[in-house]
Amino acid sequence: ILNVEQSPQSLHVQEGDSTNFTCSFPSSNFYALHWYRWETAKSPEALFVMTLNGDEKKKGRISATLNTKEGYSYLYIKGSQPEDSATYLCAFLGRSGGGADGLTFGKGTHLIIQP
Amino acid sequence: GAVVSQHPSRVICKSGTSVKIECRSLDFQATTMFWYRQFPKQSLMLMATSNEGSKATYEQGVEKDKFLINHASLTLSTLTVTSAHPEDSSFYICSARRGLAGGPATQYFGPGTRLLVL
Repeated sequence: ILNVEQSPQSLHVQEGDSTNFTCSFPSSNFYALHWYRWETAKSPEALFVMTLNGDEKKKGRISATLNTKEGYSYLYIKGSQPEDSATYLCAFLGRSGGGADGLTFGKGTHLIIQP
Repeated sequence: GAVVSQHPSRVICKSGTSVKIECRSLDFQATTMFWYRQFPKQSLMLMATSNEGSKATYEQGVEKDKFLINHASLTLSTLTVTSAHPEDSSFYICSARRGLAGGPATQYFGPGTRLLVL
């Protein structure tokens, strides 16, 4: 059974502050790591697909880094805004299926931005 | 682009009845779709992988006769929960894989279906 862990489970941040949270995953059989942003009653929104060790991706004020050797990824949000409030999910994709397998998700980090 | 719809969004049914959930990719073709479910305070768990024109592949512990999956076209997959029981009450969500065969293509998700079996 694959173990994908996210921490913290929940996070309260003041508007304007920057924040980050962690996803840890198996370092063996790694193919890709996905990050999603999930607002209540909406579809999870794809943020990043990361594949290379040392990779860093950015989308507006959100960025992510990847360390496949030690099995972790960080998601950073700069200058948090109320609309950033959501649950952020990471998901591991193993190599065995050639990238065509389903994802193994963490439980998510629930982020609340306080005005 | 890359929108996935899912219907119904919420369903309440009596124990013993069957419920069908539809998942559609609206603006792209998806050779592979996935079905996940989520119990309270748990992560999304993969139930099955659905490939267009072939039988679905089920994860260990998921009963294929209970959760019937049909992927008849490149834009539609259906999940039928047969003879539903209260323990099947859960949040069911589908995704569609967009990209070339192989490779870490993005999976685009529907908004999910909340099933309550009385």
